Amino acid sequence: GEDVEQSLFLSVREGDSSVINCTYTDSSSTYLYWYKQEPGAGLQLLTYIFSNMDMKQDQRLTVLLNKKDKHLSLRIADTQTGDSAIYFCAEEAQGSSNTGKLIFGQGTTLQVKP
Amino acid sequence: ETGVTQTPRHLVMGMTNKKSLKCEQHLGHNAMYWYKQSAKKPLELMFVYNFKEQTENNSVPSRFSPECPNSSHLFLHLHTLQPEDSALYLCASSRAGDSNTDTQYFGPGTRLTVL
Repeated sequence: GEDVEQSLFLSVREGDSSVINCTYTDSSSTYLYWYKQEPGAGLQLLTYIFSNMDMKQDQRLTVLLNKKDKHLSLRIADTQTGDSAIYFCAEEAQGSSNTGKLIFGQGTTLQVKP
Repeated sequence: ETGVTQTPRHLVMGMTNKKSLKCEQHLGHNAMYWYKQSAKKPLELMFVYNFKEQTENNSVPSRFSPECPNSSHLFLHLHTLQPEDSALYLCASSRAGDSNTDTQYFGPGTRLTVL
């Protein structure tokens, strides 16, 4: 079945780079997503990558995809205290009626120390 | 602001109460979703509606009853809940029907506590 795994916790110092890793199982996934959840809030879409790409960069965010190993990572450059949140990786499986069916990981809590 | 709103933001209810959660999207999307987020568990998809028709029911107990009167509104009717139903309930919407990605946009959630 479909499964997405993430490490649960990452702690970095302000100004350092953060790398959050994710593995997934469904090789037919076409899109993979990163969402951010701040305390008491819903999920905010950060970025996504199409499965035929191996890298996508968006300002401080870099997504790397190794499709052979089914490994996805999110790198945050110059991490700030405002980046402290839970980061969810999700793969898009085919749902019914052309809707996306997202399979989420457990989330990685990023703690940024001043 | 993602264009998806949810009310109420917080809800405390007894096991014998009946309440409803409301979600509204202002993005012109056609699909709407309910997710449950419990502590220490991945997000669980509960229901999917596409063009007002339910297309996914992920083995959700009947004490949760969804309603989608139009593509912009989604409700989750609750009755005789259990304490283990306490969680954050998230609504999402997406364009659907597109040949490319069907990116989902989430609301802020309703924090439900069942006493």
